Amino acid sequence: EVQLVESGGGLVQPGGSLRLSCAASGFTFSTYAMHWVRQAPGKGLEYVSAISYNGDSTDYANSVKGRFTISRDNSKNTLYLQMGSLRAEDMAVYYCARRGDRGHYYVDNWGQGTLVTVSS
Amino acid sequence: DIQMTQSPSSVSASVGDRVTITCRASQGISSWLAWYQQKPGKAPKVLIYAASNLQSGVPSRFSGSGSGTDFTLTISSLQPEDFATYYCQQANSFPLTFGGGTKVEIK
Repeated sequence: EVQLVESGGGLVQPGGSLRLSCAASGFTFSTYAMHWVRQAPGKGLEYVSAISYNGDSTDYANSVKGRFTISRDNSKNTLYLQMGSLRAEDMAVYYCARRGDRGHYYVDNWGQGTLVTVSS
Repeated sequence: DIQMTQSPSSVSASVGDRVTITCRASQGISSWLAWYQQKPGKAPKVLIYAASNLQSGVPSRFSGSGSGTDFTLTISSLQPEDFATYYCQQANSFPLTFGGGTKVEIK
């Protein structure tokens, strides 16, 4: 069974930093591209970032480009999101997500999410 | 960026009803579209990928159609567990973008 377990969320002040982690199990992590998707309270889904299976290729939403960095450690089956210069509008539940392998860039498995609160 | 426009934003329906949700892309995305279901406090779940392919384990009352810019998600006979919010997502190119969501509520 595919499992994605996020951690690292919490309360951070505006301008601060936070690193999210996603521990993957139940599949061969090193063969799948991965995404981060977020959802602000009461709002819809928003793409944040993606990384290829080997980490060679990354992509970011314009809203986080230059402030967030996605990375992965295939030896630890873990995905990361380093977030910096955090703003109130970054407050959201952050989901780790596995890219499906049958239809371009869709998600076939999601973690339970970790809440990031940005407030002074 | 490709904009995804979903309609309606909400729909009230009864158990057994046929429900149709539409999604329009601001430019052609071939068949690279996915549909997700999300219940309150839960992570989304994929229903349909590549516009019309049913994800394993998803009931056959869900179906998807369309290509290019116009897509449809149909629930043929609404069940109590289907009351949720549904999102489309273009899977054609980065940055990935989602529709605004359609909340299916009990009439």
